[in-house]
Amino acid sequence: EPEVTQTPSHQVTQMGQEVILRCVPISNHLYFYWYRQILGQKVEFLVSFYNNEISEKSEIFDDQFSVERPDGSNFTLKIRSTKLEDSAMYFCASSTPPGQSTHSPLHFGNGTRLTVT
Amino acid sequence: QKEVEQNSGPLSVPEGAIASLNCTYSDRGSQSFFWYRQYSGKSPELIMSIYSNGDKEDGRFTAQLNKASQYVSLLIRDSQPSDSATYLCAVNEAGANSKLTFGKGITLSVRP
Repeated sequence: EPEVTQTPSHQVTQMGQEVILRCVPISNHLYFYWYRQILGQKVEFLVSFYNNEISEKSEIFDDQFSVERPDGSNFTLKIRSTKLEDSAMYFCASSTPPGQSTHSPLHFGNGTRLTVT
Repeated sequence: QKEVEQNSGPLSVPEGAIASLNCTYSDRGSQSFFWYRQYSGKSPELIMSIYSNGDKEDGRFTAQLNKASQYVSLLIRDSQPSDSATYLCAVNEAGANSKLTFGKGITLSVRP
């Protein structure tokens, strides 16, 4: 069964450094997302991406964050100047185009655990 | 602020019992509802989706939706120890693939 793949599985970085989290969505999916989950807390929406542009973003997704689809398969999340509170599990997800009024289910990758020291 | 609320857990049931997980949501415009299962340290895994009022059954799982009461539930019949996990309720707004709002989740423990 096709799956969303994320690399690396664990990233340790020092405060102030830049990190890039990588994702390969399912090949026939057209919508891409990043979510994060701080340990013990809710899964939180960061950003959605469609047709090579951001379609929606949350308050969390400030100027520190950016997303890119550099080629036909990868989808990346860049975090500039990381802070301690950026430590979390970051999940990439993808979905097919929606039905007439319904949301297509998200398929999540296994996540990247980001630790900022 | 759109909210998705789940019963505070954890929930413990004996093997073979029915586990009932509940969720309420604040946005009346919500159209799509999902239950995800998340094992510790792992990613959310889709269990059920439901879009219309009523029940939807898939194997041992039944999702129930009541839009008038803004309530969605998940029943797990014949609970197995392997069902022990955190169950996340997720809801989205009407229209295109807008963001999902997740509840905090309820941890289910199935005792052998």
